[in-house]
Amino acid sequence: GQQLNQSPQSMFIQEGEDVSMNCTSSSIFNTWLWYKQDPGEGPVLLIALYKAGELTSNGRLTAQFGITRKDSFLNISASIPSDVGIYFCAGQPLGYGNKLVFGAGTILRVKS
Amino acid sequence: DAGITQSPRHKVTETGTPVTLRCHQTENHRYMYWYRQDPGHGLRLIHYSYGVKDTDKGEVSDGYSVSRSKTEDFLLTLESATSSQTSVYFCASTPGGEQFFGPGTRLTVL
Repeated sequence: GQQLNQSPQSMFIQEGEDVSMNCTSSSIFNTWLWYKQDPGEGPVLLIALYKAGELTSNGRLTAQFGITRKDSFLNISASIPSDVGIYFCAGQPLGYGNKLVFGAGTILRVKS
Repeated sequence: DAGITQSPRHKVTETGTPVTLRCHQTENHRYMYWYRQDPGHGLRLIHYSYGVKDTDKGEVSDGYSVSRSKTEDFLLTLESATSSQTSVYFCASTPGGEQFFGPGTRLTVL
């Protein structure tokens, strides 16, 4: 089946540092989405990307849809303690209808 | 956020018993999904629905069935629960595109 490779698996950073994570696939994707999940809750959509090369920001978060349509990255600038959580990438492959494929997640821990 | 609720939020059951989880959305979204979340696996699709009475299997559908008799409700049934079905189950819905998730149901099968 479809697979997404998300890296890194986990990060432990100082408050105020910038963070970068990415997802790659061997398949072409129509859509890339980034979600954040807090403990005990469902994933919440952070950013949605629909066109190759698209760069979108949401506050301190910036994400890009790779030009090859096979990858995406998420950057968080000036991290704060509430950024702690699990970040998931998700993509909609070509010909996959309205289904998504999810990466395994990046666990973010911030030292205050 | 889409108004999606799941019930129950927590359940403990015994091996071999049937279990039904409910997902309810108030956004009139056409598409609904059931996922399970396990450490190291992210979210894996169990079943999905593209309309009332229209459902299809996802990547991990064995041992699960679903029903959708109304737009707003999507039920997931574990026909005979096994310990390998201990997991956190999430429901999601979308009008098409981004999916919006419910709060999850933590299921433990003893």
